Amino acid sequence: DAGVTQSPTHLIKTRGQQVTLRCSPKSGHDTVSWYQQALGQGPQFIFQYYEEEERQRGNFPDRFSGHQFPNYSSELNVNALLLGDSALYLCASSLRGGGTNEKLFFGSGTQLSVL
Amino acid sequence: GQQLNQSPQSMFIQEGEDVSMNCTSSSIFNTWLWYKQDPGEGPVLLIALYKAGELTSNGRLTAQFGITRKDSFLNISASIPSDVGIYFCAGRRRNTGNQFYFGTGTSLTVIP
Repeated sequence: DAGVTQSPTHLIKTRGQQVTLRCSPKSGHDTVSWYQQALGQGPQFIFQYYEEEERQRGNFPDRFSGHQFPNYSSELNVNALLLGDSALYLCASSLRGGGTNEKLFFGSGTQLSVL
Repeated sequence: GQQLNQSPQSMFIQEGEDVSMNCTSSSIFNTWLWYKQDPGEGPVLLIALYKAGELTSNGRLTAQFGITRKDSFLNISASIPSDVGIYFCAGRRRNTGNQFYFGTGTSLTVIP
């Protein structure tokens, strides 16, 4: 049973560049959420994708965008990178409609460094 | 955004000791999740709670959903060196979709 997989594991970019991160959810899951975790902090919700649409968004600017594909995998895109975007980006998968029984399963993350 | 307060921020304990940590919020939550995270890795789900007063165990770990729905507790019994890591609580508020809010984390160090 494959867990949540993310790629790449590490990435170094310079200010102003654009980046794309990828995620495949856990087998049987149809919902993908993206979180940003700054050093020493808890994860912060970016947005959630279900049925190929952004269903909910956290307090992040439009530079952060995403996509979900028919096979439930997802991409996170960040444009015009800032130094403050350096963080661990985590993908979490879940089963929509889990309702009161929802659980989030995380991948190992992509460590993004912006120089 | 919403921030959950976790305490203590860090703990240094002897192997074999029991550990208690908690998470509090100003809002009512309908789901609490507890995670353990190792450096450079993603959080690993330990326990999930869905009802006020619910008490759930996973091996040496026990977590409780607070009666007020504004807090949750995690206990680790007979700690071992591999318990070292950062423990996060995560909560989902009622009527605010599926966004989970995470705590600030409790760093646990176990001294052999």
